[in-house]
Amino acid sequence: EVLLLESGGGLAQPGGSLRLSCAASAFTFKNYAMSWVRQAPGKGLEWVSSITTNGDATYYADSVKGRFTISRDNSKNTLFLQMNSLRAEDTAVYYCAKRTAGSNSPIDYWGQGALVTVSS
Amino acid sequence: QTVVTQEPSFSVSPGGTVTLTCGLSSGSVSASSYPSWYQQTPGQAPRTLIYSTNARSSGVPDRFSGSILGNKAALTITGAQTDDECDYYCALYMSGGFWVFGGGTRLTVL
Repeated sequence: EVLLLESGGGLAQPGGSLRLSCAASAFTFKNYAMSWVRQAPGKGLEWVSSITTNGDATYYADSVKGRFTISRDNSKNTLFLQMNSLRAEDTAVYYCAKRTAGSNSPIDYWGQGALVTVSS
Repeated sequence: QTVVTQEPSFSVSPGGTVTLTCGLSSGSVSASSYPSWYQQTPGQAPRTLIYSTNARSSGVPDRFSGSILGNKAALTITGAQTDDECDYYCALYMSGGFWVFGGGTRLTVL
């Protein structure tokens, strides 16, 4: 069964940084585009970022563009999200998600999520 | 800015059939938007139900089905069960690698 395990969440101050990781298993990681999706407390889902299979293209929501960086290490089956210049409105559960193929394909599997809280 | 629209709430009787929709603030939803549907119970991660309009994700019962109805994507639940009471989100591909989620529909089964 596909498994996506996020780590690295926690408390950060406004203007601070955090790096999320997502360890993938039970599928050939390098063959699938990956994404991050977040959900603020009591709110709906928001697509944050996607990355192609080999990392040669990345895409970002306007709300995080220029502050967040998605990357992947196919040798370690791991997805990352570097979050800089954090704001209170970035407080959310961040889900790692596997796509069915390329970055224009839908999500089929989700991780359990990592909580990021931005507060002073 | 394109907005993906969903009914904020819907109610269905146990055993009944309900169709939730997913539209665009401007334009029509088509198969090229790869419409997908996700189910989420409180405190849990989302679960993929339907992707690419009507492909059922692994382990999803066949009483969940997807389609295009008119200018919207649709999720139909037949034989609704109390366990189906939760939030449902759709997502659409906007080209250029961008995706947008709808605001979600809270389904009540009573």
